[in-house]
Amino acid sequence: QSALTQPASVSGSPGQSITISCTGSSSDVGSYDLVSWYQQHPGKVPKFMIYEVNKRPSGVSNRFSGSKSGNTASLTISGLQAEDEADYYCCSNAGYSTVVFGGGTKLTVL
Amino acid sequence: EVQLVESGGGLVQPGRSLRLSCAASGFSFDDYAMHWVRQAPGKGLEWVSGISWNSGSIGYADSVKARFTISRDNAKNSLYLQMNSLRPEDTALYYCVRDMGYGVQGNCDYWGQGTLVTVSS
Repeated sequence: QSALTQPASVSGSPGQSITISCTGSSSDVGSYDLVSWYQQHPGKVPKFMIYEVNKRPSGVSNRFSGSKSGNTASLTISGLQAEDEADYYCCSNAGYSTVVFGGGTKLTVL
Repeated sequence: EVQLVESGGGLVQPGRSLRLSCAASGFSFDDYAMHWVRQAPGKGLEWVSGISWNSGSIGYADSVKARFTISRDNAKNSLYLQMNSLRPEDTALYYCVRDMGYGVQGNCDYWGQGTLVTVSS
């Protein structure tokens, strides 16, 4: 069970688009369409943003989208806004009733 | 309204045990898998353990395997985490989390506020 690999930080200006990558292996991301993404503001509880690679829960802005290719999943945020500044975590099913998170990415809106 | 309320955290010495509880309300508890996810101070999220709706499938992170035991009581709408042989590196905020499905999938749609566990002498 190795943590999924995410960039430590990304940044973008308001209105721009950014993409956060999440690299796993053929044992997790590559094997299951069960990748999810979470947003966490400082001192707050994580928020469910994307599930099953590219599905958005009710109430999540359509500026957030997900995708996957091989062992790498991605979260794209378009039309960047100040309130998007937060930590983002990816998560994948890893088989045998286990789950693995990524190390997290700090998004800075310049 | 879905509510998950954790309890049982506190300060404990290395090598000792602690039992966390999570009281669930606002949904049919026995229709969903559940997880414990932790976050050490200033660090990222770490999945700890998951359990299917009927306790038939259970998984653990390697870091806690053989020391922690997850369980649930559907009649009491409650989730538990028995933590034995605690280590300083187990210090974290422990979240009770609902999965969208019956099985342990990782689609974690609702999170409690967490209960803080501090392991120190």
